[in-house]
Amino acid sequence: DAGVTQSPTHLIKTRGQQVTLRCSPKSGHDTVSWYQQALGQGPQFIFQYYEEEERQRGNFPDRFSGHQFPNYSSELNVNALLLGDSALYLCASSVGQYLWLGYGYTFGSGTRLTVV
Amino acid sequence: DQQVKQNSPSLSVQEGRISILNCDYTNSMFDYFLWYKKYPAEGPTFLISISSIKDKNEDGRFTVFLNKSAKHLSLHIVPSQPGDSAVYFCAAKDQAGTALIFGKGTTLSVSS
Repeated sequence: DAGVTQSPTHLIKTRGQQVTLRCSPKSGHDTVSWYQQALGQGPQFIFQYYEEEERQRGNFPDRFSGHQFPNYSSELNVNALLLGDSALYLCASSVGQYLWLGYGYTFGSGTRLTVV
Repeated sequence: DQQVKQNSPSLSVQEGRISILNCDYTNSMFDYFLWYKKYPAEGPTFLISISSIKDKNEDGRFTVFLNKSAKHLSLHIVPSQPGDSAVYFCAAKDQAGTALIFGKGTTLSVSS
């Protein structure tokens, strides 16, 4: 049973460019959340998608946008890249929009984005 | 302003001894707390959790204690093993939302 799959694993982009990161949730999961983990920091919540809609959003600018497809997979798009966007981007999937007692998210291994 | 704080960036423990990782929080609306373990080049892995209505939860070698009055929780690993060496993140969920708020992590090194 595949867990959460993210692609690509590594990516190098230039300032001002746009990037798309992809996530396939764990089998049976229908909710996808995205996190940004900067170096030396904990993961920071970007947004959550459930039933193809953005349900909750963290403190991130509109340059960060996303999408969820009918098969529950998701994309994270970042426009006008800044050096400060360099980070590990983590996708987490879960069942339903709300966390269940005793169960956390299932995280993918992440996409390492470097902006030069 | 950090709502979840892990004030010890690193901890070194000998194999077989107890590891105690600490976490403090500021938001009294948090109703659920989780600990995650992260190895390099992997995503965080769920370890153990505790509801705010409990003060202790145990799972094998791992026990989480919650002190609501002090807004403090701790993860105890007994006995510690070299394979436990990883970064440990404390996370909290508030009653209003579905997002997790993470601390900065503590790197645990267990030597044999």
